[in-house]
Amino acid sequence: GENVEQHPSTLSVQEGDSAVIKCTYSDSASNYFPWYKQELGKGPQLIIDIRSNVGEKKDQRIAVTLNKTAKHFSLHITETQPEDSAVYFCAAFTSGNTPLVFGKGTRLSVIA
Amino acid sequence: SQTIHQWPATLVQPVGSPLSLECTVEGTSNPNLYWYRQAAGRGLQLLFYSVGIGQISSEVPQNLSASRPQDRQFILSSKKLLLSDSGFYLCAWWTGGGYGYTFGSGTRLTVV
Repeated sequence: GENVEQHPSTLSVQEGDSAVIKCTYSDSASNYFPWYKQELGKGPQLIIDIRSNVGEKKDQRIAVTLNKTAKHFSLHITETQPEDSAVYFCAAFTSGNTPLVFGKGTRLSVIA
Repeated sequence: SQTIHQWPATLVQPVGSPLSLECTVEGTSNPNLYWYRQAAGRGLQLLFYSVGIGQISSEVPQNLSASRPQDRQFILSSKKLLLSDSGFYLCAWWTGGGYGYTFGSGTRLTVV
């Protein structure tokens, strides 16, 4: 089955700097890759996603890139702000009713 | 609009007591439903998922069970709680169409 590896597990950046979180997946049939942000004590929230027929997607300060050949995808946050501090999860989806496979998460701390 | 309700928000239960957590979804029909558990500072562990009424798939053998008595209702139960059942329990739904899961706000369970 699918396996998703996420790095780094923790990341600290200065406010205004960029943050990059990387994930790799094992199943070449995976075709949908969402990213979630989880704030303390809350459920994860979908922040951006990308499909296998797209190489990059942007939404304001957040972007996701996908390299199907290498089977990895990354989350990029520019001009980080303290409110970006949270745990971020990547995930991969293959088909049908198979559940999303999540990475283990990255704790991002933005230092003011 | 589509919403997901999860309750209670927090729960403190003694070892050996029963458990019932409920999740309901509004504004959609025939969703896939999921129960996840998250230990403190850890990733998302898929416990159960359901693709229809009465259909339950278990991902991890454990002290818990799940039921789906109605299309938009998903219940997580235990007959006798263990200390290791403590954690943050999250319900999620998905209707396909290539969108990510929507998570509930979670229940923090502490077994004492």
